[in-house]
Amino acid sequence: QVQLVQSGAEVKKPGASVKVSCKASGYTFSAYYIHWLRQAPGQGLEWMGWVNPNNGGTDSAQKFQGRVTMTWDTSINTAYMDLSGLTSDDTAVYLCARAGSIAAPPDAFHIWGQGTMVTVFS
Amino acid sequence: EIVLTQSPGTLSLSPGERATLSCRASQSVTRSDLAWYQKKPGQAPRLLIYGASSRATGIPDRFSGSGSGTDFTLTISRLEPEDSAVYYCQQYGSSPRTFGQGTKLEIK
Repeated sequence: QVQLVQSGAEVKKPGASVKVSCKASGYTFSAYYIHWLRQAPGQGLEWMGWVNPNNGGTDSAQKFQGRVTMTWDTSINTAYMDLSGLTSDDTAVYLCARAGSIAAPPDAFHIWGQGTMVTVFS
Repeated sequence: EIVLTQSPGTLSLSPGERATLSCRASQSVTRSDLAWYQKKPGQAPRLLIYGASSRATGIPDRFSGSGSGTDFTLTISRLEPEDSAVYYCQQYGSSPRTFGQGTKLEIK
């Protein structure tokens, strides 16, 4: 079945970077956008950006520009989200989600990873 | 950026009742590209409705969506205890994708 499996929990110090992976299975990885989102404790869902695994195109929310890097490796059907300059405000569950086909209009997030908890503290 | 405002903040209802959740956008949502998600603690969000009114795969017909332009509604009929969750609306027609702040549904 179609699924996204994320890497395990991380604990980082302020100023460090974190890299979260999202491994896809059950579909053609390069044919669908992968989005990244997060949910801080007690807060709502926040969209961070997307990557097109077919051509490398990306887009990200303005607040993360300059700090987030979204990459992928089609040989192992895995997307990555790298967030640098971590502060305690970045403590959150980070989620990947599959949206629609790269050949179709924008779509909702039908498939989600299980989430990766990233804790930032000194 | 499209700002989505959900109401009410919290809704407390009994099993068997109907829940009506509202999502208002600060500007018209492109192509009715509006989705609703259910979020329970410790779980990933679950897509309920996309395209404002289309049910996602496996979603029971107790869940229905309606609306267009700037006003959207999620209706949950015949509430069950497992419907207790936070519900988020999201627009995906323009960048940045944005979410409402959520409506917490409590089943008494």
